[in-house]
This record gives sequence, C-alpha cells and structure tokens, in this order.
Amino acid sequence: QSVLTQPPSVSAAPGQRVTISCSGSSSNIGNSFVSWYQQLPGTAPKLLIYDNNKRASGIPDRFTGSKSGTSATLGITGLQTGDEADYFCGTWDSRLSAGVFGGGTKLTVL
Amino acid sequence: QVQLQESGPGLVKPSQTLSLTCTVSGDSISSGLYYWAWIRQHPAKGLEWIGHIYYSGGAYSNPSLKSRVTISIDTSKNQFSLKLNSVTAADTAVYYCARRDYAIFDPWGQGTLVTVSS
Repeated sequence: QSVLTQPPSVSAAPGQRVTISCSGSSSNIGNSFVSWYQQLPGTAPKLLIYDNNKRASGIPDRFTGSKSGTSATLGITGLQTGDEADYFCGTWDSRLSAGVFGGGTKLTVL
Repeated sequence: QVQLQESGPGLVKPSQTLSLTCTVSGDSISSGLYYWAWIRQHPAKGLEWIGHIYYSGGAYSNPSLKSRVTISIDTSKNQFSLKLNSVTAADTAVYYCARRDYAIFDPWGQGTLVTVSS
C-alpha cells in the first residue's frame, strides 16, 4: 500500500491529453515539493518533473506538473505511442521521515 | 553526465544478507551537494525508498526497514553500498541507486534484480 495514491491506469488516443493524479496528505504533498518519474518498460525510472512544476532537462513542454493542497497532477498533451509507460509521483513525508512514492499509473496510448 | 551502476549478487538465500554497491561516475560523491540513495521496486509494484547517505557518512533509512539496513560510503572509490540482513522472499525486488536532492531522485542506476530464494 503506497503512501501516495495514484490511479492504476489511464488511457487516451494519440494526440489527446491525459492527466494523472497523485493524492497525499499534509505531511507529504501538503508540506513538500512533488516529483514525477517516467518508467518505460524494462528501464529505470527517469525524472520528468521536479519542484511540482519544473521540467527536468530534455523533457518536452508536453509534460506539465501542478500541485494544489495535498494533491498533484501530471499532464501530458499531444500523446504519442512512445509515452506508454508507468508514471510515479514522489515526495518527502515529514511524519514518516521517509521518501514516499505513489503506486504508479500505467499510461496506455490507444 | 552522471551515471550510477549497481552491482552485486542476483540471488540471496533466505535469512542471509543482501549486499549491493553503487558506483558513481561523472560526479563526486564527496562534493557534499547531494545525498546518495537506495530505492527498490517489488515485481509489478510501486517504488519503496530504502534510505540514503551523505558523503560524511551520515545515513538515514526507512523506518520500516531500519533495523535491517546498513548504508555505507567509500569516497575513495566513489561508491556507496547497501546491506540488508535477514532477507526473506518479500525482499525480492529490483534495487536501484540514485542521487538525491531533497525530494528529487535523479539520475537512477539501471537497477539490479535481487531474488531471495533457497
């Protein structure tokens, strides 16, 4: 059971837009910056978004991040088949004194 | 370009100690700018932060694993290591090392699968 809650899966057609939610609490998302990671099949996670809404180096502006209260959202526009991956949110939890992640969301581009 | 590479046995017997090393290239772990972390991913599941260490040797681990985890650092080799003792099948996972800057883990190593089985 992950500390942060994400939907198990989302899907959309190529060219469309999708959002992935990440829900937490006041001790984690509500009190810290959020990062997002993309994990392509068979590879290690890669940083996409950090500090809630900053894109990591080389990440196209099709990927955006936002945070409100104890929830965060990753948005992906102009979906491509190459975007099919698992997406994880992560942050620090001050109550647990631990790094915490969401359970991951599998994106399918239909 | 910073790169991290995990190494160690892929098979560990139950009750024994899992030992992994992460070799860092393209950055000095002695810089003091970052922490150096271990994260694992159980099969088809989410990510679990194991712990991290600073160049000075100060280490911190997940309270859920704390009593079994030892993280150490060798600045002369630009490496840091993980030891997890008394392993069970529940410790079977892909283990990643990563550079940590507060809540940001970047970059990650390619990961190494460790299976606990007799």
